[in-house]
Amino acid sequence: EVQLVQSGAEVKKPGESLKISCKGSGYSFTSYWIGWVRQMPGKGLEWMGIIYPGDSDTRYSPSFQGQVTISADKSISTAYLQWSSLKASDTAMYYCARLREMYNTPDAFDIWGQGTMVTVSS
Amino acid sequence: SYELTQPPSVSVSPGQTARITCSGDALPKQYAYWYQQKPGQAPVLVIYKDSERPSGIPERFSGSSSGTTVTLTISGVQAEDEADYYCQSADSSGTYGVFGGGTKLTVL
Repeated sequence: EVQLVQSGAEVKKPGESLKISCKGSGYSFTSYWIGWVRQMPGKGLEWMGIIYPGDSDTRYSPSFQGQVTISADKSISTAYLQWSSLKASDTAMYYCARLREMYNTPDAFDIWGQGTMVTVSS
Repeated sequence: SYELTQPPSVSVSPGQTARITCSGDALPKQYAYWYQQKPGQAPVLVIYKDSERPSGIPERFSGSSSGTTVTLTISGVQAEDEADYYCQSADSSGTYGVFGGGTKLTVL
Protein backbone atom coordinates (compact mmCIF):
# COMPACT_ATOMS: atom_id res chain seq x y z
CA GLU A 1 0.00 0.00 0.00
CA VAL A 2 1.30 3.44 -0.96
CA GLN A 3 1.24 5.72 2.04
CA LEU A 4 2.76 8.78 3.65
CA VAL A 5 3.02 8.84 7.43
CA GLN A 6 3.70 12.15 9.11
CA SER A 7 5.21 12.92 12.50
CA GLY A 8 2.99 13.85 15.42
CA ALA A 9 1.53 17.13 16.59
CA GLU A 10 3.89 19.79 17.91
CA VAL A 11 3.46 22.64 20.38
CA LYS A 12 6.26 25.21 20.26
CA LYS A 13 7.04 28.74 21.41
CA PRO A 14 7.69 31.68 19.09
CA GLY A 15 11.33 31.81 18.04
CA GLU A 16 11.89 28.08 18.42
CA SER A 17 12.98 25.84 15.55
CA LEU A 18 11.10 22.81 14.26
CA LYS A 19 11.46 20.01 11.73
CA ILE A 20 8.50 17.79 10.88
CA SER A 21 8.71 14.64 8.82
CA CYS A 22 6.86 12.59 6.23
CA LYS A 23 7.85 8.97 5.58
CA GLY A 24 6.87 7.33 2.31
CA SER A 25 6.35 3.63 1.78
CA GLY A 26 4.99 1.26 -0.82
CA TYR A 27 6.54 3.04 -3.81
CA SER A 28 9.86 4.25 -5.22
CA PHE A 29 10.44 7.27 -2.96
CA THR A 30 13.22 8.69 -5.14
CA SER A 31 11.08 8.76 -8.29
CA TYR A 32 8.18 10.99 -7.26
CA TRP A 33 8.09 14.64 -6.26
CA ILE A 34 6.73 15.17 -2.76
CA GLY A 35 5.32 18.41 -1.44
CA TRP A 36 4.00 20.30 1.56
CA VAL A 37 0.64 22.05 1.92
CA ARG A 38 -0.38 24.42 4.71
CA GLN A 39 -3.91 24.80 6.06
CA MET A 40 -4.34 27.46 8.71
CA PRO A 41 -7.27 26.97 11.12
CA GLY A 42 -10.56 27.39 9.27
CA LYS A 43 -8.79 28.42 6.08
CA GLY A 44 -7.94 26.99 2.66
CA LEU A 45 -5.07 24.97 1.28
CA GLU A 46 -1.78 26.66 0.42
CA TRP A 47 0.90 25.10 -1.82
CA MET A 48 4.24 25.56 -0.08
CA GLY A 49 6.81 23.69 -2.12
CA ILE A 50 7.98 20.36 -3.50
CA ILE A 51 11.17 18.30 -3.55
CA TYR A 52 12.41 15.52 -5.81
CA PRO A 53 14.14 13.11 -3.42
CA GLY A 54 16.17 11.58 -6.24
CA ASP A 55 18.38 14.67 -6.58
CA SER A 56 16.92 17.09 -3.96
CA ASP A 57 15.71 19.55 -6.63
CA THR A 58 13.36 21.86 -4.70
CA ARG A 59 10.74 24.37 -5.81
CA TYR A 60 9.05 26.87 -3.49
CA SER A 61 5.99 29.02 -3.78
CA PRO A 62 7.04 32.71 -3.71
CA SER A 63 4.87 33.03 -0.59
CA PHE A 64 7.03 30.52 1.31
CA GLN A 65 10.48 31.04 -0.24
CA GLY A 66 12.88 31.91 2.57
CA GLN A 67 10.30 31.15 5.27
CA VAL A 68 10.72 27.37 5.41
CA THR A 69 13.16 24.72 4.21
CA ILE A 70 12.12 21.52 2.47
CA SER A 71 14.55 18.61 2.45
CA ALA A 72 14.61 14.85 2.03
CA ASP A 73 16.70 11.89 3.15
CA LYS A 74 16.29 9.26 0.46
CA SER A 75 18.12 6.65 2.53
CA ILE A 76 15.14 6.53 4.91
CA SER A 77 12.42 7.61 2.43
CA THR A 78 11.59 10.70 4.46
CA ALA A 79 10.84 14.29 3.54
CA TYR A 80 11.06 17.20 5.95
CA LEU A 81 9.66 20.67 6.48
CA GLN A 82 11.73 22.92 8.69
CA TRP A 83 11.49 26.32 10.39
CA SER A 84 14.42 28.14 11.98
CA SER A 85 12.31 30.60 13.98
CA LEU A 86 8.62 29.92 14.40
CA LYS A 87 5.95 32.61 14.57
CA ALA A 88 2.42 32.42 15.93
CA SER A 89 1.21 32.75 12.34
CA ASP A 90 2.85 29.39 11.54
CA THR A 91 0.09 27.71 13.55
CA ALA A 92 -1.55 25.37 11.05
CA MET A 93 -2.08 21.83 9.84
CA TYR A 94 0.70 20.78 7.50
CA TYR A 95 0.14 18.02 4.97
CA CYS A 96 2.73 16.23 2.90
CA ALA A 97 1.55 14.80 -0.39
CA ARG A 98 3.01 12.95 -3.36
CA LEU A 99 2.75 14.11 -6.95
CA ARG A 100 0.79 11.71 -9.13
CA GLU A 101 3.21 10.74 -11.89
CA MET A 102 6.75 9.49 -11.62
CA TYR A 103 9.35 12.21 -12.32
CA ASN A 104 6.63 14.69 -13.38
CA THR A 105 5.98 18.24 -12.24
CA PRO A 106 3.71 20.12 -12.22
CA ASP A 107 1.10 17.54 -11.33
CA ALA A 108 -1.67 16.72 -8.88
CA PHE A 109 -1.13 15.44 -5.36
CA ASP A 110 -2.58 11.94 -5.33
CA ILE A 111 -1.40 10.52 -2.01
CA TRP A 112 -1.66 12.58 1.15
CA GLY A 113 -0.29 12.17 4.65
CA GLN A 114 -2.56 12.42 7.65
CA GLY A 115 -1.35 15.91 8.53
CA THR A 116 0.78 17.35 11.33
CA MET A 117 -0.74 20.05 13.52
CA VAL A 118 1.78 22.69 14.54
CA THR A 119 0.77 25.10 17.31
CA VAL A 120 2.99 28.08 18.07
CA SER A 121 2.05 29.92 21.24
CA SER A 122 3.79 31.69 24.07
CA SER B 1 2.21 35.79 -7.19
CA TYR B 2 -0.26 33.80 -9.25
CA GLU B 3 -3.84 33.32 -8.00
CA LEU B 4 -6.80 31.08 -8.76
CA THR B 5 -10.30 32.38 -8.03
CA GLN B 6 -13.21 30.22 -6.86
CA PRO B 7 -16.67 31.18 -5.56
CA PRO B 8 -16.79 30.87 -1.75
CA SER B 9 -19.95 28.80 -1.75
CA VAL B 10 -22.32 26.80 -3.93
CA SER B 11 -25.62 25.29 -2.81
CA VAL B 12 -27.68 22.61 -4.54
CA SER B 13 -30.48 20.21 -3.69
CA PRO B 14 -29.89 16.47 -3.75
CA GLY B 15 -30.04 15.04 -7.25
CA GLN B 16 -29.27 18.37 -8.91
CA THR B 17 -26.05 19.35 -10.68
CA ALA B 18 -23.40 21.41 -8.93
CA ARG B 19 -20.88 23.43 -10.92
CA ILE B 20 -17.83 24.97 -9.28
CA THR B 21 -15.64 27.29 -11.32
CA CYS B 22 -12.00 28.23 -11.00
CA SER B 23 -10.40 31.10 -12.92
CA GLY B 24 -6.76 31.88 -13.56
CA ASP B 25 -4.69 33.51 -16.28
CA ALA B 26 -2.39 30.52 -16.74
CA LEU B 27 -5.12 27.89 -17.01
CA PRO B 28 -4.90 27.79 -20.83
CA LYS B 29 -1.26 26.66 -20.38
CA GLN B 30 -1.39 24.55 -17.23
CA TYR B 31 -3.61 21.64 -16.21
CA ALA B 32 -6.05 22.00 -13.34
CA TYR B 33 -6.72 19.54 -10.57
CA TRP B 34 -9.61 19.32 -8.11
CA TYR B 35 -9.69 18.08 -4.52
CA GLN B 36 -12.50 17.32 -2.11
CA GLN B 37 -11.93 17.92 1.59
CA LYS B 38 -14.33 16.92 4.33
CA PRO B 39 -14.01 18.26 7.90
CA GLY B 40 -11.10 16.78 9.80
CA GLN B 41 -9.81 14.85 6.79
CA ALA B 42 -6.97 15.21 4.33
CA PRO B 43 -7.93 16.31 0.81
CA VAL B 44 -8.79 13.71 -1.83
CA LEU B 45 -7.97 14.13 -5.53
CA VAL B 46 -11.17 13.91 -7.61
CA ILE B 47 -10.04 15.29 -11.01
CA TYR B 48 -6.60 15.61 -12.63
CA LYS B 49 -5.43 17.00 -15.98
CA ASP B 50 -8.60 19.13 -16.25
CA SER B 51 -10.99 16.23 -16.82
CA GLU B 52 -9.46 12.88 -15.85
CA ARG B 53 -10.97 10.96 -12.95
CA PRO B 54 -8.77 8.86 -10.63
CA SER B 55 -9.81 5.29 -10.01
CA GLY B 56 -12.37 5.02 -7.24
CA ILE B 57 -13.90 8.45 -7.86
CA PRO B 58 -17.60 8.22 -8.81
CA GLU B 59 -18.56 8.99 -12.40
CA ARG B 60 -20.77 11.87 -11.26
CA PHE B 61 -17.58 13.92 -10.82
CA SER B 62 -16.33 15.48 -14.05
CA GLY B 63 -14.12 18.36 -15.11
CA SER B 64 -13.90 20.68 -18.08
CA SER B 65 -11.81 23.58 -19.29
CA SER B 66 -12.52 26.64 -21.39
CA GLY B 67 -9.95 29.39 -21.73
CA THR B 68 -9.05 30.84 -18.36
CA THR B 69 -11.79 28.94 -16.50
CA VAL B 70 -12.05 25.34 -15.42
CA THR B 71 -15.18 23.78 -13.99
CA LEU B 72 -15.85 20.88 -11.65
CA THR B 73 -19.28 19.39 -12.26
CA ILE B 74 -20.99 17.04 -9.85
CA SER B 75 -24.05 15.43 -11.43
CA GLY B 76 -26.79 13.98 -9.26
CA VAL B 77 -25.35 15.48 -6.08
CA GLN B 78 -25.60 13.33 -2.99
CA ALA B 79 -25.54 14.35 0.65
CA GLU B 80 -22.09 12.79 1.00
CA ASP B 81 -20.72 15.27 -1.56
CA GLU B 82 -21.07 18.13 0.91
CA ALA B 83 -17.48 19.29 1.39
CA ASP B 84 -14.94 21.96 0.51
CA TYR B 85 -13.59 21.76 -3.03
CA TYR B 86 -10.27 23.22 -4.13
CA CYS B 87 -8.82 23.72 -7.58
CA GLN B 88 -5.07 23.61 -8.03
CA SER B 89 -2.78 24.44 -10.91
CA ALA B 90 0.65 25.89 -11.59
CA ASP B 91 2.07 29.26 -12.60
CA SER B 92 2.59 29.86 -16.30
CA SER B 93 6.15 28.53 -16.23
CA GLY B 94 5.16 25.43 -14.26
CA THR B 95 7.62 26.28 -11.48
CA TYR B 96 5.30 26.35 -8.50
CA GLY B 97 1.78 25.34 -7.67
CA VAL B 98 -1.17 27.27 -6.35
CA PHE B 99 -4.56 26.42 -4.86
CA GLY B 100 -7.79 28.31 -5.30
CA GLY B 101 -9.42 29.71 -2.18
CA GLY B 102 -11.88 26.82 -1.98
CA THR B 103 -15.62 26.47 -2.45
CA LYS B 104 -17.95 25.14 0.21
CA LEU B 105 -20.57 22.90 -1.38
CA THR B 106 -23.77 22.73 0.63
CA VAL B 107 -26.34 20.06 -0.15
CA LEU B 108 -29.69 21.52 0.88
